[in-house]
Amino acid sequence: QSVLTQPPSASGTPGQRVTISCSGGSSNIGSNSVDWYQQLPGAAPKLLFYPNNQRPSGVPDRFSGSKSGTSASLAISGLQSDDEADYYCAAWDDNLNGYVFGPGTKVTVL
Amino acid sequence: EVQLVESGGGLLKPGGSLRLSCILSGVRYSDAWMSWVRQAPGKGLEWVGRIKSKGSGGTIDYAAPVKGRFTISRDDSKNTLFLQMNSLKTDDTAVYYCAWVEKAPSSMSTWGQGTLVTVSS
Repeated sequence: QSVLTQPPSASGTPGQRVTISCSGGSSNIGSNSVDWYQQLPGAAPKLLFYPNNQRPSGVPDRFSGSKSGTSASLAISGLQSDDEADYYCAAWDDNLNGYVFGPGTKVTVL
Repeated sequence: EVQLVESGGGLLKPGGSLRLSCILSGVRYSDAWMSWVRQAPGKGLEWVGRIKSKGSGGTIDYAAPVKGRFTISRDDSKNTLFLQMNSLKTDDTAVYYCAWVEKAPSSMSTWGQGTLVTVSS
């Protein structure tokens, strides 16, 4: 059981906006920055945001992240077929003294 | 361009040992914080551990399932990160990724291609 929770799946049609939630607690999201990773089938994960919410080069601005209290969310606007992937949230957990990943959300483009 | 290349995966029996290596290029390795992450077949990502740069104290942190069995180390003269895995269990079967922690505490912006470790009797 992960200390971070995410919905197992999300879907949308091309052009739609999809939002993925990530819920944690005071020792992780509540006190540390949240990272989001995209993992395309058969590939290594890719970081979508730096802690200050800036995007690494190559990440389109269709991806945006937000955080409030002990929850965070990732939004994908203008959904494209290339966005079909697994998305993971992650954060440092001060109680565990370790980094924790959410279980991942599979995004399907209908 | 920042790149990571891993090596050392393989098939071994429960109770065995294996050492993975990961070479970082494109950044000053001695300043780099590095992590290992694994992914069991068909499962999600699981953080294994992190080593800070010597300049940041060289602290090493481990996930509970591997603490006491796995050891992370680094050779700054060779730009190389290591993961020594002992007392391997079938549950340790996974693709193991090394990753560069570009932004503290653990934002991993560059990942290796992954190396498969299979533990089976």
